[in-house]
Amino acid sequence: QSALTQPASVSGSPGQSITISCTGTSSDVGAYNYVSWYQQHPGKVPKLMIYDVSNRPSGVSNRFSGSKSGNTASLTISGLQAEDEADYYCCSYTNYYTYVFGAGTKVTVL
Amino acid sequence: QVQLVQSGAEVKRPGASVKVSCKASGYNFINSNIHWVRQAPGQGLEWMGWVNPTNGNTNSAEKFQGRVTVTRDTSISTAYMELNGLTSDDSAVYYCARHGGTYPAYWGQGTLVTVSS
Repeated sequence: QSALTQPASVSGSPGQSITISCTGTSSDVGAYNYVSWYQQHPGKVPKLMIYDVSNRPSGVSNRFSGSKSGNTASLTISGLQAEDEADYYCCSYTNYYTYVFGAGTKVTVL
Repeated sequence: QVQLVQSGAEVKRPGASVKVSCKASGYNFINSNIHWVRQAPGQGLEWMGWVNPTNGNTNSAEKFQGRVTVTRDTSISTAYMELNGLTSDDSAVYYCARHGGTYPAYWGQGTLVTVSS
């Protein structure tokens, strides 16, 4: 099971919107609406930002949104803020009763 | 409140085994699977496996099959991850996480495992 494909880095200016893609296969991302996204600041525990493709847990800003088309899921951060600078990982359930993470995307706020 | 408290940092020799524990509180332990995820220094998250506390059923990523054992002790609400045949590539922070229905939801604080001769 290979890691899901994410861009290594994405950057944007404060107030802008950015989108991070997460590409898998028909055995994981394409097979289920069970894609989740995590934010991780350096030295910190990952924090759940989106689950089931597009659902936000309580307490997560509505500036974060998720979507999916075919084998590719996406996380969009609108109104980019300095505090959004972090690593972001997607995660998907698979056909093999396992999970797989993306390689991670470093978001830089310019 | 939900808490997952993991065991402390470990230093192991190459070829040894390590067993990390994850004690759950604040919810009914048998109601949620426990995931194990690791993160090598400067690297991404890597899903290793999970255990169903109700019946002890487990599954692991193909990469770790034959080398990782995930277990649980329901009497003390604790899950365990044992990794054998350690190499320097296994140096990482190991996390447990409570399953949230379709995703790893609430994470433990992490356990640093260092493999060094």
